[in-house]
Amino acid sequence: DTGVSQDPRHKITKRGQNVTFRCDPISEHNRLYWYRQTLGQGPEFLTYFQNEAQLEKSRLLSDRFSAERPKGSFSTLEIQRTEQGDSAMYLCASSPGGVRTKNIQYFGAGTRLSVL
Amino acid sequence: AQSVTQLGSHVSVSEGALVLLRCNYSSSVPPYLFWYVQYPNQGLQLLLKYTSAATLVKGINGFEAEFKKSETSFHLTKPSAHMSDAAEYFCAVMNRDDKIIFGKGTRLHILP
Repeated sequence: DTGVSQDPRHKITKRGQNVTFRCDPISEHNRLYWYRQTLGQGPEFLTYFQNEAQLEKSRLLSDRFSAERPKGSFSTLEIQRTEQGDSAMYLCASSPGGVRTKNIQYFGAGTRLSVL
Repeated sequence: AQSVTQLGSHVSVSEGALVLLRCNYSSSVPPYLFWYVQYPNQGLQLLLKYTSAATLVKGINGFEAEFKKSETSFHLTKPSAHMSDAAEYFCAVMNRDDKIIFGKGTRLHILP
């Protein structure tokens, strides 16, 4: 068990460019979550997947954001036409799903995005 | 709706002193509560969790938290602070859809 892996760890981009982040969850975890964390705040929920199905999207997730989990394993989060307000840490978490008491989320190290 | 409030965005304690980080929650369902720790430029690590079993929960690194329903609190404590405890700590509640709602965090500073 290697934990949740996120790539890249840091991304610097110019305003208007597209960026894509990748998350590899813990093996056999059915659920995968994306959060955004801005400076001085706790993580905020963006979206989550049960296997390959995207079950919920926060209203924080504008039309410029899209997430996929094509085979129910890794996931990608794409931001199109980045804006300076998108600068944040993007965190991925995975959980086994199933019984609520065992549905603990484990987090990756995050991708820090800086939009210039 | 579920929410958590962390009292104090910054807390400073001397090395060896008691650590107390406060968290109050609101929840319309029996709450599942968590404390996570975040070291600089890293993700969140689960410290401990309360899932309706024992009200006193022991976690990693000598931390523990007590669930008090009458006070709607889930404060985090450690008897003796160590320099390596300096980090940001997040209290969180799991809502009925199994999503986690985080507090704004408390940055813990350890004074030598």
